[in-house]
Amino acid sequence: EVQLVESGGGLVQPGGSLRLSCAASGFTLNSYRMTWVRQAPGKGLEWVASIKEDGSEKYYVDSVKGRFTISRDSARNSVYLQINSLRAEDTALYYCARFTGTWHTFDYWGQGTLVTVSS
Amino acid sequence: QSALTQPRSVSGSPGQSVTISCTGASSDVGRYDFVSWFQQHPGKAPKLMIYGVTKRPSGVPDRFSASKSGDTASLTISGLQAEDEADYFCCSFAGSSWAFGGGTKLTVL
Repeated sequence: EVQLVESGGGLVQPGGSLRLSCAASGFTLNSYRMTWVRQAPGKGLEWVASIKEDGSEKYYVDSVKGRFTISRDSARNSVYLQINSLRAEDTALYYCARFTGTWHTFDYWGQGTLVTVSS
Repeated sequence: QSALTQPRSVSGSPGQSVTISCTGASSDVGRYDFVSWFQQHPGKAPKLMIYGVTKRPSGVPDRFSASKSGDTASLTISGLQAEDEADYFCCSFAGSSWAFGGGTKLTVL
């Protein structure tokens, strides 16, 4: 059974940092691109970042470029999102999702980890 | 990296059909046959309902169907059931990024 479990969220002050983790199981992580998608309270979904199977290419939404870094560790079956210089508008539930290259979609999602940016 | 446009809400009675539209642009919905739809119940993670514009993952009822014309994609739910009440989001590949719709709240009356 495919499972994605996010962790690392919390309350952080503006300008602060967090490292989100996504533990994957039930499939071979290094065969899939992985993605982070966020959802602000009461709002829609927003694609944040994606990373290729071998980590060679990374993609980001413009609003997080230079502040967020996506990475992966196949030995730990994990994907990470380092988020720096946090702003109030980064407050959201951050989901980790598995990406299917054939159909360019996200077929499995975790339950999310909440990031709250507030002073 | 613009969001796709969906109606904020739609409603229908049990057994009826509803259609949710998703309008994008020639750079996303209009260019690629990589439109997906997700269902999200309150407090739950999104669930993939449609991919590749029209395809259903295993386990998704055939009451759910979808299509695309130009820059607009559509999701139709026929034979509405109470458990269909949820938020629905469309998503399209847009080159090296992905665009989501703002979401549509489906109410089953």
